[in-house]
Amino acid sequence: DAGVIQSPRHEVTEMGQEVTLRCKPISGHDYLFWYRQTMMRGLELLIYFNNNVPIDDSGMPEDRFSAKMPNASFSTLKIQPSEPRDSAVYFCASSWGFGGSPLHFGNGTRLTVT
Amino acid sequence: AQTVTQSQPEMSVQEAETVTLSCTYDTSESDYYLFWYKQPPSRQMILVIRQEAYKQQNATENRFSVNFQKAAKSFSLKISDSQLGDAAMYFCAYRHPQGGSEKLVFGKGTKLTVNP
Repeated sequence: DAGVIQSPRHEVTEMGQEVTLRCKPISGHDYLFWYRQTMMRGLELLIYFNNNVPIDDSGMPEDRFSAKMPNASFSTLKIQPSEPRDSAVYFCASSWGFGGSPLHFGNGTRLTVT
Repeated sequence: AQTVTQSQPEMSVQEAETVTLSCTYDTSESDYYLFWYKQPPSRQMILVIRQEAYKQQNATENRFSVNFQKAAKSFSLKISDSQLGDAAMYFCAYRHPQGGSEKLVFGKGTKLTVNP
């Protein structure tokens, strides 16, 4: 079991640039979550998908953020244009079923926007 | 909306001793799940233990156990025989199994230091 795979591990970009974060969930998992972690706000849910369909995107900060899940094995989180306040660690997680199934997290992407 | 509160931003414990991390949550639901996750400096989120709200028996995983008090909405984590490798951020989390609301809600975390 390869676990949840995120890329890149680190991303440094300049303000105004487009950033794309990638995630490959665990095979067979039907839920995929994107979280953002900062010192000030902790772990915040941005969006989650069930069977590739977005269910709740109320945590997406603004229109600069978008997420897609074109198939069961791939998801992207895009920020365009990026701003310094977007600097954070972004986690992707997946689970099978809901409720009691634990989320399995990737190693996260540390994004720095200068 | 469900909320999770961890009132101890930092805790410390001597190696081989026992420490308890506190967590309370707010929900109007009767069926839900609670989790503790560990985040070491490597930033990997690691599941420590899970509790089903409908089970009265407290979950245990080796040196880790919980004290689940449903009426008080309390879910504390006890670490016995603490080891240096237990040093990490610990996050309490809540999940409700209802369609459209399956997200995991996290507390702010407790930073645990283990002193040799």
